[in-house]
Order: sequence, then structure tokens, then C-alpha cells
Amino acid sequence: RKEVEQDPGPFNVPEGATVAFNCTYSNSASQSFFWYRQDCRKEPKLLMSVYSSGNEDGRFTAQLNRASQYISLLIRDSKLSDSATYLCVVRPGGGNKLTFGTGTQLKVEL
Amino acid sequence: ETGVTQTPRHLVMGMTNKKSLKCEQHLGHNAMYWYKQSAKKPLELMFVYSLEERVENNSVPSRFSPECPNSSHLFLHLHTLQPEDSALYLCASSQDRLREQFFGPGTRLTVL
Repeated sequence: RKEVEQDPGPFNVPEGATVAFNCTYSNSASQSFFWYRQDCRKEPKLLMSVYSSGNEDGRFTAQLNRASQYISLLIRDSKLSDSATYLCVVRPGGGNKLTFGTGTQLKVEL
Repeated sequence: ETGVTQTPRHLVMGMTNKKSLKCEQHLGHNAMYWYKQSAKKPLELMFVYSLEERVENNSVPSRFSPECPNSSHLFLHLHTLQPEDSALYLCASSQDRLREQFFGPGTRLTVL
């Protein structure tokens, strides 16, 4: 099983739609979780950290389910500019190294 | 954004060339990283420096040689690379090894 697993997509959604991505991780002792966004041929940029209680930043909501070992990202009212690849990132327990998923591609269309 | 800069942005080199990638962070961070990103693969961590000391080397071939002269600068020296080394090389920094990382724009490397 991969350390961090994501559905590669692409997810093609109309503008204004709500879309959700899940990411599963294999190490139950993982301590830190992040969502990064990567535009085509650009560097990854931190979108948000994921806290145990769940957190929201504008149209974006991140949640953590430790029992099932997954994190999710919900995007409401999708914009064309949300089109990108969303990377799930996990810091396994006992280590300082970040482990990246392969990313989920989102395409928001008119 | 100019928090983490990388030069050059694009590099084409032959297998016998020697070149260096440069990374500079202006964020006052104490940890710096080199990653490799190949098509359809997740980011692969190559090297980690914390307070200018190399703390991690993920079985990277010796044709890649990192250097960290101070906490703001990181180099990746390249020599006798192979075509399969063609990829996007990303530098990142973080306040410490437990915090979120911020990436530079990357160097897109093509080895002929």
C-alpha cells in the first residue's frame, strides 16, 4: 500500500460546483497533514494545513478522519482559477519527512 | 512571490557536463530541501539540510551532490547525469523540520 494515496482524476466540474477530494494514508501514527496546490509547470504552494478538528478557509474546508486514516478537501463554489492539481501531504509519525501524494487534478469548466 | 528563488529556471545539459542549481530563501528559515518531480510521480525528497547540516540523503546517486554554505543558500551540483534524471528540481525551505514547507519555482532540467 502506498504511504499516501489519491485519486489522480481528473475531476471535471462546472463553475460553481462543490467538489471533494479524499486522500488516504497508511501510517496510523502520522502527525501532520497538509493540502498543497500545484498549477501546471509551477511549484507546489501550501493551500492549508489540516487540523484534527477540521478547518475552513473561505471556500475550502479540510477534514481529518484518524480512525479511517484519510483527509479530505472540500471546495465550494468552484472557480475557473481553482483548476490545478491538489497534493495531499502527510508527515508520518516519528519522522520529519513529508510524504507527497501524486495529486488529484481538478478542471473547473464554464 | 520571492520567498524562495531558484536559478536557472531551465537547464539543458549533456551527459558529460557539470552544472549547478542554486536556491536561495529569504524567509529566515533553518531547514532547506531538494526534491525531484518527474511526470506522473509524487515529489521525491532528495536531501534535507537543517542548520546547514545534511540530515537526510534518500539514496540519491552520487552524481547529485548538495552543498549548503549557509542557512539561506543551497546548491545541487550535477555531473555525468543520465537522461532519466530529466525532471523538475524543486527547492523548499521551512522554519524547522516540523513546519510546512515553501517551495521555489523549480529548475526544469533536461539531460540529452
